Amino acid sequence: NAGVTQTPKFQVLKTGQSMTLQCAQDMNHEYMSWYRQDPGMGLRLIHYSVGAGITDQGEVPNGYNVSRSTTEDFPLRLLSAAPSQTSVYFCASSRGRPNEKLFFGSGTQLSVL
Amino acid sequence: AQKITQTQPGMFVQEKEAVTLDCTYDTSDPSYGLFWYKQPSSGEMIFLIYQGSYDQQNATEGRYSLNFQKARKSANLVISASQLGDSAMYFCAMRDGHMEYGNKLVFGAGTILRVKS
Repeated sequence: NAGVTQTPKFQVLKTGQSMTLQCAQDMNHEYMSWYRQDPGMGLRLIHYSVGAGITDQGEVPNGYNVSRSTTEDFPLRLLSAAPSQTSVYFCASSRGRPNEKLFFGSGTQLSVL
Repeated sequence: AQKITQTQPGMFVQEKEAVTLDCTYDTSDPSYGLFWYKQPSSGEMIFLIYQGSYDQQNATEGRYSLNFQKARKSANLVISASQLGDSAMYFCAMRDGHMEYGNKLVFGAGTILRVKS
């Protein structure tokens, strides 16, 4: 079972470059989200989606774009990378019911030089 | 705004002993959910246990139990009979009660647990 798949696992960018972090889930989950993890700050929500065509901002959305054209995929776009976006990024999904756990991908470690 | 506080940056425990990891939360919503996740050095996020705000009993999952004190707004994780494999970062998280659908979680800063042999 694949679960939540994130690619790439590691990425190094130069300031100003753009890139897309990919996230795909094969569990038919309606709810998907992106978090970033920084030392001493836990995980912070960037964007989330409650279904195809519906996205909303989380706590730290600036500098990131998302779209949800299918139930399976939820890519995260960095439009112009900045050193402050150096972080570990996690994609997570669930069926969306209140007491359900989030299923996490394995993470993407991003460094912006 | 909802907030999770984990006041212990790091903890040590002797193998086979029990350990409690603290978590306090702040919310004005009557309906909310509390989660604990484990993150080993490999980086993945592993779900451990869930407690709903209306649940009458404390949640338990194997060696994990949640000491839920609603009046104190605390949801401490208790790990019994610690094992070397329990060494990891532990995150407490709360579900945003405003959302009728979806699992928008707010995370604490985490506690690093080291189990000594």
